[in-house]
Amino acid sequence: DAEITQSPRHKITETGRQVTLACHQTWNHNNMFWYRQDLGHGLRLIHYSYGVHDTNKGEVSDGYSVSRSNTEDLPLTLESAASSQTSVYFCASSDKQYFGPGTRLTVT
Amino acid sequence: SQQGEEDPQALSIQEGENATMNCSYKTSINNLQWYRQNSGRGLVHLILIRSNEREKHSGRLRVTLDTSKKSSSLLITASRAADTASYFCATAAHNAGNMLTFGGGTRLMVKP
Repeated sequence: DAEITQSPRHKITETGRQVTLACHQTWNHNNMFWYRQDLGHGLRLIHYSYGVHDTNKGEVSDGYSVSRSNTEDLPLTLESAASSQTSVYFCASSDKQYFGPGTRLTVT
Repeated sequence: SQQGEEDPQALSIQEGENATMNCSYKTSINNLQWYRQNSGRGLVHLILIRSNEREKHSGRLRVTLDTSKKSSSLLITASRAADTASYFCATAAHNAGNMLTFGGGTRLMVKP
């Protein structure tokens, strides 16, 4: 069955380190999204892509980057992790969005 | 800032009762969607209502949309303990392609 997966599911890293969160979908969707979820803020859009080589900034893109080299994957990179980036990260694909299970990231 | 704002933030009811959650938004939309999230899990899409629709049903779910008031409601009838979750509305704005803006959610607890 087609699906969307995220890895790792949990990650602890140190301030200043580069971290990459993976998102992989097998539906062949063009649209992919990254969100972070924090208490009191709901889900906030970080970056999104409408197709290969297309990337766009969302509401809270500072400190994050994405690349789209193929249809299936949209990895999210934290160039230099900060404690403010401790959060749960969700990837989604398509317009009626199918969500991955989430990655809980802790930056110490 | 959040486009959708859910009300109430938390709701506790007994099994068998109906649960109503409301969502208000600010800009013109193409569609509004409702999602459910169980604790520690990803969001699950429940229902999508387009801007030219006023009401939609799916099983025990009923969604209404009032574009003049920029508001939507989600009604869960005959609630079950398994309906305990957080419910989010999300709007797709007219000029925002397929981007969704989420509200802060309503935490629903259904007591057996």
